[in-house]
Amino acid sequence: SQTIHQWPATLVQPVGSPLSLECTVEGTSNPNLYWYRQAAGRGLQLLFYSVGIGQISSEVPQNLSASRPQDRQFILSSKKLLLSDSGFYLCAWSGTGRPAETFGSGTRLTVV
Amino acid sequence: ELKVEQNPLFLSMQEGKNYTIYCNYSTTSDRLYWYRQDPGKSLESLFVLLSNGAVKQEGRLMASLDTKARLSTLHITAAVHDLSATYFCAGRQGAQKLVFGQGTRLTINP
Repeated sequence: SQTIHQWPATLVQPVGSPLSLECTVEGTSNPNLYWYRQAAGRGLQLLFYSVGIGQISSEVPQNLSASRPQDRQFILSSKKLLLSDSGFYLCAWSGTGRPAETFGSGTRLTVV
Repeated sequence: ELKVEQNPLFLSMQEGKNYTIYCNYSTTSDRLYWYRQDPGKSLESLFVLLSNGAVKQEGRLMASLDTKARLSTLHITAAVHDLSATYFCAGRQGAQKLVFGQGTRLTINP
């Protein structure tokens, strides 16, 4: 069966520090991969998606970047965090036989 | 650009009652999704509605889609406390992008 792993679960980082969040999917190949952000009490905003290795589409210009170094690995990064980067970050995947995106457990990021 | 609006945003109801959450979307979307989110948790897929007139049911939840009215509904029958959560609808824009509504925070009181 397919599973999605996301870590860390929580993170407190100072302003100006770098960020790296990792997401991996198991049990499938060539998934579509997504990074979403959810601000407190709000809906979800798509940040990046990827349909293949090295293929990244950005939805919102911002302080963040994404990379897909392997088929089932998706990484969200920042060189210097801002206070406004705080939020709940969710990785998701979709693919053959999965009409809806399946979400990871999320990372709660607090920038202080 | 697709916009998705839910109402109500907050809903407090008693156990045993029925209620409906509405999801309106602005442009053609060939699929409509419903998700559930418990506090501090991730999103769980509930329903995928693929065509006009689609109706899906799971336990006390039933979702429907009217593409002509650009409206989806999530109906709760005889609510129980375990259904307390935030419910999101989302439409598909293009091939990859899910556009989410603001969410409806549902609280079911004994």
